[in-house]
Amino acid sequence: DGGITQSPKYLFRKEGQNVTLSCEQNLNHDAMYWYRQDPGQGLRLIYYSQIVNDFQKGDIAEGYSVSREKKESFPLTVTSAQKNPTAFYLCASSISATVYRTDTQYFGPGTRLTVL
Amino acid sequence: AQKITQTQPGMFVQEKEAVTLDCTYDTSDPSYGLFWYKQPSSGEMIFLIYQGSYDQQNATEGRYSLNFQKARKSANLVISASQLGDSAMYFCAMREMGGNQFYFGTGTSLTVIP
Repeated sequence: DGGITQSPKYLFRKEGQNVTLSCEQNLNHDAMYWYRQDPGQGLRLIYYSQIVNDFQKGDIAEGYSVSREKKESFPLTVTSAQKNPTAFYLCASSISATVYRTDTQYFGPGTRLTVL
Repeated sequence: AQKITQTQPGMFVQEKEAVTLDCTYDTSDPSYGLFWYKQPSSGEMIFLIYQGSYDQQNATEGRYSLNFQKARKSANLVISASQLGDSAMYFCAMREMGGNQFYFGTGTSLTVIP
C-alpha cells in the first residue's frame, strides 16, 4: 500500500531534549513538507524539500532542523531551541516539485509531541 | 495579507442537508490550484477536491463540489446530503504555479446534527 507513515503517533519528551520525528513515503514523490498545527489553528509550514539533499525554510523554521538524504525520508528534529514545541506535526508529500504542475499534497497521520 | 481566508470558525448542519463552507484567496499569479482537505478528530488530513485556475467547470467529487468564482476569488466547498461522518475540520488551501508552498486557511469546524 502506498502512503506516508509517521512515527510515533504520540511522543513525550522532557524540556531541553532534542527529538526526531520520522516521516517516510513510498509514493515516489519528489516534494516533502513538514507542518505544525496548534489547537484550533491552521497549518504552518516548517520546512520543505523539493529534491534530495536540498530543503528550504518555511514560515516557522526556528528551532527545527531537517535532512533529506533519501527521496523517501524527511525526518524533522525539534531542538531545545524551539520555545514551545508541544504541538501536532504533520508530514506531507506531493508528486512534483516543478512549477508547471499543481499537485495535491498527501498527508501522514501526524505525530502529537508533548514536551513535559 | 492572508493568502487564504476562511471566515466561518464553526458551522452546524442538519443531517441530509447541504452546507457551504466559504473560502476566499489572494494571489496575483494567474495560474494556481485550490484544494480542500478534511481533518477528522484523528488528525489526518484527507484530500477532498481540487480546482485549477484555468478549469472551465466547477470541480465535483461525489458529494463534494467546489463553487469556483474566479472574479471574486472565492472557492467555496459545498457538501450535499450531509452525513454524521462529515463532522470534522475543513481546510482550504492554495498553491501558486510560480511557488513551491501550499497556503492553508485557519479552517472551519463542521458539526452535523442528527
